[in-house]
Amino acid sequence: GAGVSQTPSNKVTEKGKYVELRCDPISGHTALYWYRQSLGQGPEFLIYFQGTGAADDSGLPNDRFFAVRPEGSVSTLKIQRTERGDSAVYLCASSFSGDSYNEQFFGPGTRLTVL
Amino acid sequence: AQSVTQLGSHVSVSEGALVLLRCNYSSSVPPYLFWYVQYPNQGLQLLLKYTTGATLVKGINGFEAEFKKSETSFHLTKPSAHMSDAAEYFCAVGRNTGFQKLVFGTGTRLLVSP
Repeated sequence: GAGVSQTPSNKVTEKGKYVELRCDPISGHTALYWYRQSLGQGPEFLIYFQGTGAADDSGLPNDRFFAVRPEGSVSTLKIQRTERGDSAVYLCASSFSGDSYNEQFFGPGTRLTVL
Repeated sequence: AQSVTQLGSHVSVSEGALVLLRCNYSSSVPPYLFWYVQYPNQGLQLLLKYTTGATLVKGINGFEAEFKKSETSFHLTKPSAHMSDAAEYFCAVGRNTGFQKLVFGTGTRLLVSP
């Protein structure tokens, strides 16, 4: 299919470890978003990319979280020194452009479990 | 600042009955409003959205929602529930300018019984 894909679908790690979560957006979509969905909650905005640059990273909870999109397509969310509170489903979405009326298409998410 | 309140974490209906999922929002600017559905192990799928213009918005799978500014509401309805409608539904509010920084509610799980 031509939808947003995320890998891995599940990731189990130990407290203190480093993890990387990958997002492949829909081809041609310039805007890319990361959200985090904790158990029983709705998704919460983390970061927005327009092209290669992070236009808004105000949702990143602290400096252990970092995301890149070096070629304006695939994005990687990186979490250092993971904590149990980081356990959640991490969702990626893309849209044709960053204009507010463009639909965001969501991937299936990566379920991160920190033991 | 924007926020969304979804009343009822679970809603149960019988097949063929009316579906009503409630959403109230808060926004300091004219909002864009969205309903998403999430099936198990799948990504969020857009059901419908309100941007400007007609306040009654029709979406996929027979769902519709009405934007009521005076009540700050955007409730989702469907006249007749199907078993396949069982899923988690999220209401979201966004901005009408700039990039779309969605703020979601906590979701309502719709249960449909035969």
